[in-house]
Amino acid sequence: NAGVTQTPKFQVLKTGQSMTLQCAQDMNHEYMSWYRQDPGMGLRLIHYSVGAGITDQGEVPNGYNVSRSTTEDFPLRLLSAAPSQTSVYFCASRNPGQVRPYEQYFGPGTRLTVT
Amino acid sequence: DQQVKQNSPSLSVQEGRISILNCDYTNSMFDYFLWYKKYPAEGPTFLISISSIKDKNEDGRFTVFLNKSAKHLSLHIVPSQPGDSAVYFCAASGGTYKYIFGTGTRLKVLA
Repeated sequence: NAGVTQTPKFQVLKTGQSMTLQCAQDMNHEYMSWYRQDPGMGLRLIHYSVGAGITDQGEVPNGYNVSRSTTEDFPLRLLSAAPSQTSVYFCASRNPGQVRPYEQYFGPGTRLTVT
Repeated sequence: DQQVKQNSPSLSVQEGRISILNCDYTNSMFDYFLWYKKYPAEGPTFLISISSIKDKNEDGRFTVFLNKSAKHLSLHIVPSQPGDSAVYFCAASGGTYKYIFGTGTRLKVLA
């Protein structure tokens, strides 16, 4: 049981490039989400999904796209990278039907630098 | 407008003593609160939570207190251990999927 996995661990992009951050979970969790962590800002929600085929925006969605074609995977796409998207990105999942329904499981993070 | 605030960016405590981490919130619609712990280069891990219908929840060395009238919660760690040194985030939820996180407090437990 790997939990929540994220790839890559590190990435450097040039301004204007696009890329996809991968997130997968093997716990059959319905809910998945993407956060970014910036110094002094805590964790901010980018996009989330409550099931396959259902996604919605969080606090800071601009410049990012998501899709959820399977329960396991929730990729985050940067359409045209900007220096303001330099951050550490965390994927998380939870199952509202579990014993502790509010507990989210986080991946190890992807550190992204945009130059 | 930050709805969840952790006003102390850092805290140092001697091993064996009590650590008290504080969190304030502004939205009275929040009904569930959580604390997460984060080590460097790792994702946050869940620590303890509390529903708004309670004022205290204990789990081993960790206790969370909720004061709804003051819109304040605190995490007590007794006794503090060097392995508790990490960044602690509080988070709040208001009946939706979305969690609002505070900015974190870095705890250092001195041996």
